[in-house]
Amino acid sequence: QITLKESGPTLVKPAQTLTLTCTFSGFSLSTSGVGVGWIRQPPGEALEWLGIIYWDGDKRYNPSLESRITINKDTSKNQVVLTMTNMDPVDTATYYCVRSLRGVDCGGSRCYYFDYWAQGILVTVSS
Amino acid sequence: QPVLTQPPSASGTPGQRVSISCSGSSSDIGTNYVHWYQQLPGTAPKLLIYRNNQRPSGVPDRFSGSKSGTSASLAISGLRSEDEADYYCAAWTDSLSGRWMFGGGTKLTVL
Repeated sequence: QITLKESGPTLVKPAQTLTLTCTFSGFSLSTSGVGVGWIRQPPGEALEWLGIIYWDGDKRYNPSLESRITINKDTSKNQVVLTMTNMDPVDTATYYCVRSLRGVDCGGSRCYYFDYWAQGILVTVSS
Repeated sequence: QPVLTQPPSASGTPGQRVSISCSGSSSDIGTNYVHWYQQLPGTAPKLLIYRNNQRPSGVPDRFSGSKSGTSASLAISGLRSEDEADYYCAAWTDSLSGRWMFGGGTKLTVL
């Protein structure tokens, strides 16, 4: 059974750094064709992709947020950590950790899709 | 911010067939797979259709996806009250160094 769960602060102050941890089970991030990513959703708004780290350590970030985001993995702990600097009230959103799967007959980021989603964690940015 | 275009709302009565469109460009839908997610009220999104028209196990065959050129569609036949949710399309875009893009979402109401 595949599960993912986010943990971290639910309230951060403007200009602070947000650190969220995704702890997962039921799969390994060292398996070829697997990735773990982050997606957020402001209240009442659409989904926005933040970034992803793949089984081979390759990382991709949303270009509009790349200067503020870092994603790292600890394969032995089955954890992926999202760090976002200089938080602003517009960053208030539910942050989702997602597993991404490539499939056997395709290569590159275009071939992945998000097949398992964690429950999400609502992060509010306010002083 | 690049985005895939979806109608903000759609509706139908129980038993009807409804379609939700997703419009993009040659660098996203025109080149790459389209995936669809269902978000029931107050819950996390769930994968509904992947690689244009593939259903994960457990997803009823009432749900189907298609793609043509730079547009894609999600069709729901035999509409049920429990299908009332937000639906999002997604695709990888090769532009701007590459990124995942989502549609703005379509709120489906079952009348």
